[in-house]
Amino acid sequence: DGGITQSPKYLFRKEGQNVTLSCEQNLNHDAMYWYRQDPGQGLRLIYYSQIVNDFQKGDIAEGYSVSREKKESFPLTVTSAQKNPTAFYLCASSIGFESTVIYGYTFGSGTRLTVV
Amino acid sequence: AQSVTQLDSQVPVFEEAPVELRCNYSSSVSVYLFWYVQYPNQGLQLLLKYLSGSTLVKGINGFEAEFNKSQTSFHLRKPSVHISDTAEYFCAVSPLGGTSYGKLTFGQGTILTVHP
Repeated sequence: DGGITQSPKYLFRKEGQNVTLSCEQNLNHDAMYWYRQDPGQGLRLIYYSQIVNDFQKGDIAEGYSVSREKKESFPLTVTSAQKNPTAFYLCASSIGFESTVIYGYTFGSGTRLTVV
Repeated sequence: AQSVTQLDSQVPVFEEAPVELRCNYSSSVSVYLFWYVQYPNQGLQLLLKYLSGSTLVKGINGFEAEFNKSQTSFHLRKPSVHISDTAEYFCAVSPLGGTSYGKLTFGQGTILTVHP
């Protein structure tokens, strides 16, 4: 079955450490997205990528970085510059950037990051 | 720019009762509309979407939503809920143009709790 795999499901890190969240899809989707979810705030866009080797900042990119070296993979690094990194992180994809308008997203199951 | 307001952060209801989850949006361009459901510690799943045509759209699990252009609303309804409908529900818009094209904007979410 095709889908999006996020790993790990739960992640604990000490304050000041960088951490990388994995997102892999086998849907042959061109566009990929990272969202952060906090209680009562909905989903906020961190970064997105329309195609391989291309990505753009979303609404809350400060303290985060991404890469898109392969179509299937869009890892997110939470750096020590992110002031409040504890959150639920969701990766999503769509057939194509323009197709998002019609088809919306397919989501992964998320990674819950806790920084102590 | 777009914004989505879900008018109730929490909705408690008894099993087999009807429910309505309210969503209002604002946008300077035309939009398509989506409802997603999220079960605890999972990603989001698409419930239904409105693209064009009939303003009443039916989705999975017995849910339906009505698009009202004059009131810029897209309320989600179910005539009889089950315990298994307990989840968080997100309304989202997808603009047909502008700087947010190709990206979804989400509301803050409504937690539906169905009591026996």
